[in-house]
Amino acid sequence: GQQLNQSPQSMFIQEGEDVSMNCTSSSIFNTWLWYKQDPGEGPVLLIALYKAGELTSNGRLTAQFGITRKDSFLNISASIPSDVGIYFCAGQFSPGGGADGLTFGKGTHLIIQP
Amino acid sequence: NAGVMQNPRHLVRRRGQEARLRCSPMKGHSHVYWYRQLPEEGLKFMVYLQKENIIDESGMPKERFSAEFPKEGPSILRIQQVVRGDSAAYFCASSPSATGELFFGEGSRLTVL
Repeated sequence: GQQLNQSPQSMFIQEGEDVSMNCTSSSIFNTWLWYKQDPGEGPVLLIALYKAGELTSNGRLTAQFGITRKDSFLNISASIPSDVGIYFCAGQFSPGGGADGLTFGKGTHLIIQP
Repeated sequence: NAGVMQNPRHLVRRRGQEARLRCSPMKGHSHVYWYRQLPEEGLKFMVYLQKENIIDESGMPKERFSAEFPKEGPSILRIQQVVRGDSAAYFCASSPSATGELFFGEGSRLTVL
């Protein structure tokens, strides 16, 4: 089956620093999604990408869909305490156009040091 | 509240009992997905349903697990004869027609004693 490698596993940064994380896949995807999950909560969608090469921003977040369709990255600029959490990438390949289940990475734990 | 609603949020069962987890999708969404999450892990796809139909159950164990999404009422994930290894957080997500943007509920955390 499809596998997603997400890195880094965890990040310890200072408030105000920029953050970068990425996902690579063993096969191509038609859609890349980035989610954030807080403890005890469900994942919340941050950014959705639908075209190879697409670069999309949502406030301080920027994500790109890799040209090869096998990778994506997420950047967070000027981190703040509420950015703490687990960030998941997710990919979807739907040859028939149906909304098949997503394949998730294992997550990047973002920890902000005071 | 227009979000995906899951209940119960927490469920404790003894080995051999049955667990039933319910999910009401967002209004207007007819696609429902169930995922399982173990501690420190990502979400693993279990099953994808539309109203009254199972579309893809490739991620669901063949035994003891079943899912339904009836014409009326919530989607149900049923786990029979639970074992300790079933302890996990189970998340439901819904989407409108085929967009790939899944909206998740807050999860049901099953603990098997």
